[in-house]
Amino acid sequence: DTGVSQNPRHKITKRGQNVTFRCDPISEHNRLYWYRQTLGQGPEFLTYFQNEAQLEKSRLLSDRFSAERPKGSFSTLEIQRTEQGDSAMYLCASSLAKEQFFGPGTRLTVL
Amino acid sequence: GNSVTQMEGPVTLSEEAFLTINCTYTATGYPSLFWYVQYPGEGLQLLLKATKADDKGSNKGFEATYRKETTSFHLEKGSVQVSDSAVYFCAPDRDDKIIFGKGTRLHILP
Repeated sequence: DTGVSQNPRHKITKRGQNVTFRCDPISEHNRLYWYRQTLGQGPEFLTYFQNEAQLEKSRLLSDRFSAERPKGSFSTLEIQRTEQGDSAMYLCASSLAKEQFFGPGTRLTVL
Repeated sequence: GNSVTQMEGPVTLSEEAFLTINCTYTATGYPSLFWYVQYPGEGLQLLLKATKADDKGSNKGFEATYRKETTSFHLEKGSVQVSDSAVYFCAPDRDDKIIFGKGTRLHILP
């Protein structure tokens, strides 16, 4: 399968714990995006990379969130000191041109 | 900045009915326009796209035409199937990002 993959698919954690998600993009894609989607809403942009450079970060993203793409391939999204409001589906997408290709998402539940 | 307005869902139709899901956008410049679909339990998939005025995107029997004069990108299908039940997102791009609305949930009854 050469699509975008995300791990884990599901994560349940307790409030205050740190979590880290991984995204593996389509191999030749130079751009990688992170979105968050809550129930009944569309995906909300969080941040994106071109190769290893983080080009933009949403103003809605708190300092507890950090993302990296150290070698311009896979990316990680870390959430520190999780809160119940962080419960959502976290989506990764990659692109080479205008259209973005999405992974299956990581569903985070914060208890 | 760019934003999008889609018709409120859920939309419920019988199989073989004609479908229109309205979408209007606000944008500076000339964004590319996309329709994404999210089937139950699955990730977002690109359904179709249009990159300039009067372009028509089409896929799986769905069509949408980029109307610059009305800033619209309405999704249409002549005869829907039960398998088309999903959430549909109209989305313009802006500065290399895609801006999603709330989506329209579509239910097709057999």
